Amino acid sequence: GAVVSQHPSRVICKSGTSVKIECRSLDFQATTMFWYRQFPKKSLMLMATSNEGSKATYEQGVEKDKFLINHASLTLSTLTVTSAHPEDSSFYICSATLIAGANEQYFGPGTRLTVT
Amino acid sequence: GNSVTQMEGPVTLSEEAFLTINCTYTATGYPSLFWYVQYPGEGLQLLLKATKADDKGSNKGFEATYRKETTSFHLEKGSVQVSDSAVYFCALMIGGYQKVTFGIGTKLQVIP
Repeated sequence: GAVVSQHPSRVICKSGTSVKIECRSLDFQATTMFWYRQFPKKSLMLMATSNEGSKATYEQGVEKDKFLINHASLTLSTLTVTSAHPEDSSFYICSATLIAGANEQYFGPGTRLTVT
Repeated sequence: GNSVTQMEGPVTLSEEAFLTINCTYTATGYPSLFWYVQYPGEGLQLLLKATKADDKGSNKGFEATYRKETTSFHLEKGSVQVSDSAVYFCALMIGGYQKVTFGIGTKLQVIP
């Protein structure tokens, strides 16, 4: 149980275009979903926390107008990278928690974004 | 603030060697501690966890003990295999806040 999927697993897009990444909890309802970014040879950086039906909470330094997060249902959150640039190329990982205050997050397999 | 410190590596070991990856932390509050593993090209998988002092997490031959007195959560395995080659992340979470703080990740390479 507690499986989180992401789609697509890899995407290549041109500079200036937008790309949407989906994160789904397959067998549970996630009260909260998180989006992380992983830079090469670096750890994961939390970008934002999203709760179903409310606006996402962004970490300091993350541009909310560039990284649009929508949490439409208890099983789906989307991250849209708008007007992508090569420096947005990265590995994006989402995670979800089963219940509020739970001490464990379940991670998706990640999405490799390459902006050319 | 909260932070996790671990060696970056890479750590290169021969098959069947003993593995230790050190992890220390600082936290405001009482964290739960985790080790995650990331295989090449994949996302993170929870390897083991411990939620309070002196707890030992274990899975697939890996172990780590929550040491409050030394604020450590070192990962150990008695005999590594080639299939253990991956990046290992130490992490903490303060209950209720749900933000996970990760270490930098340690790359482990096991050679036959």
